Amino acid sequence: DTGVSQDPRHKITKRGQNVTFRCDPISEHNRLYWYRQTLGQGPEFLTYFQNEAQLEKSRLLSDRFSAERPKGSFSTLEIQRTEQGDSAMYLCASSSKNTEAFFGQGTRLTVV
Amino acid sequence: AQKVTQAQTEISVVEKEDVTLDCVYETRDTTYYLFWYKQPPSGELVFLIRRNSFDEQNEISGRYSWNFQKSTSSFNFTITASQVVDSAVYFCALSESTSGTYKYIFGTGTRLKVLA
Repeated sequence: DTGVSQDPRHKITKRGQNVTFRCDPISEHNRLYWYRQTLGQGPEFLTYFQNEAQLEKSRLLSDRFSAERPKGSFSTLEIQRTEQGDSAMYLCASSSKNTEAFFGQGTRLTVV
Repeated sequence: AQKVTQAQTEISVVEKEDVTLDCVYETRDTTYYLFWYKQPPSGELVFLIRRNSFDEQNEISGRYSWNFQKSTSSFNFTITASQVVDSAVYFCALSESTSGTYKYIFGTGTRLKVLA
């Protein structure tokens, strides 16, 4: 297993367009997290899955954001009607119970 | 409220100097975990260490060492004999057990520049 992988690595989109990011966690990990990181800040928690169930969503996750993890494997994060304020690095992480999280390299979103 | 404070925004040192990165946390939980991650320019967060709240024993791993003190709610990270490859942003993070999700609360990071 090569770790957590995210696709795409970079995405430039026009304001108002929809974008979707994919995360493939480490295969034996049942927990999956999405974080958002803006320049000069630490990552901020967005949402958490345990297997296929989305158990927690941050207030940062507006109605334009939706995340899924069908079958408890890969996950997608969709942003509808993107805004310039959505420009950030979106990080995915996975873990087993009571272990540290392993992060992917992130998807850098630029909304122009 | 849960909070992680990394007061040092940026530190510059000359190669071979020792450097300590500070981390202060706030939590109401009695069971929690503390972490340090390294973020090189490539962007990926690289796990360095995890500590649980019941284990205050300091740890050394090569040139890295960590000092966990519950009395001052601090979890400081020292790099001995720094190298240029240590240049990165370092994040301290807190994870609590009562939330059930073990989500991380990160500090704002400390950018370390090691000059040759």
